[in-house]
Amino acid sequence: QQPVQSPQAVILREGEDAVINCSSSKALYSVHWYRQKHGEAPVFLMILLKGGEQKGHEKISASFNEKKQQSSLYLTASQLSYSGTYFCGTEMGDNYGQNFVFGPGTRLSVLP
Amino acid sequence: EAQVTQNPRYLITVTGKKLTVTCSQNMNHEYMSWYRQDPGLGLRQIYYSMNVEVTDKGDVPEGYKVSRKEKRNFPLILESPSPNQTSLYFCASSIAGLSTDTQYFGPGTRLTVL
Repeated sequence: QQPVQSPQAVILREGEDAVINCSSSKALYSVHWYRQKHGEAPVFLMILLKGGEQKGHEKISASFNEKKQQSSLYLTASQLSYSGTYFCGTEMGDNYGQNFVFGPGTRLSVLP
Repeated sequence: EAQVTQNPRYLITVTGKKLTVTCSQNMNHEYMSWYRQDPGLGLRQIYYSMNVEVTDKGDVPEGYKVSRKEKRNFPLILESPSPNQTSLYFCASSIAGLSTDTQYFGPGTRLTVL
């Protein structure tokens, strides 16, 4: 039931672009994106909601294809501070339950 | 300052010795949750709580207990820890349901069970 993320890891030069994908075998009602730097707690980036509403970060964009049960995170003109592990996640269950499941993560390294 | 706090931050213990990791939030959040993080597996939910006195199992609840007697606190209890519970643990909270709200994470507790 865990979402699948690709790629597992990516290395970029500063200023380059990256795309991180997240897909699920189950219907997605919303997709959350978090970034975690080594040794730190995950930090919220963005929520994408069914129906197209997006809440989150100014410099990072994302898409959500409900039919394909996929989401993609777009990092443009990457900065050194973008380095870290990116997780997508989604809530599972019915209206009364809020079981939350994260993907395994994508490790992004931005080099000078 | 709005935050989620966890204690202790680091803990080394032995198999079978009961322990509690505390979690507290000062944002009046309804929803709280515990995760464990292991290399290559991402964050996996242990238990979550929609509100006071309401708790439910996540994906990996075996060997753990929780309680939610007050809105601000959500302790994680390991009655008889085993080496496979060695992990990095995060507590998180959210305003209400997760569909439209972000989770705020505590700093993490690194647990080693010998």
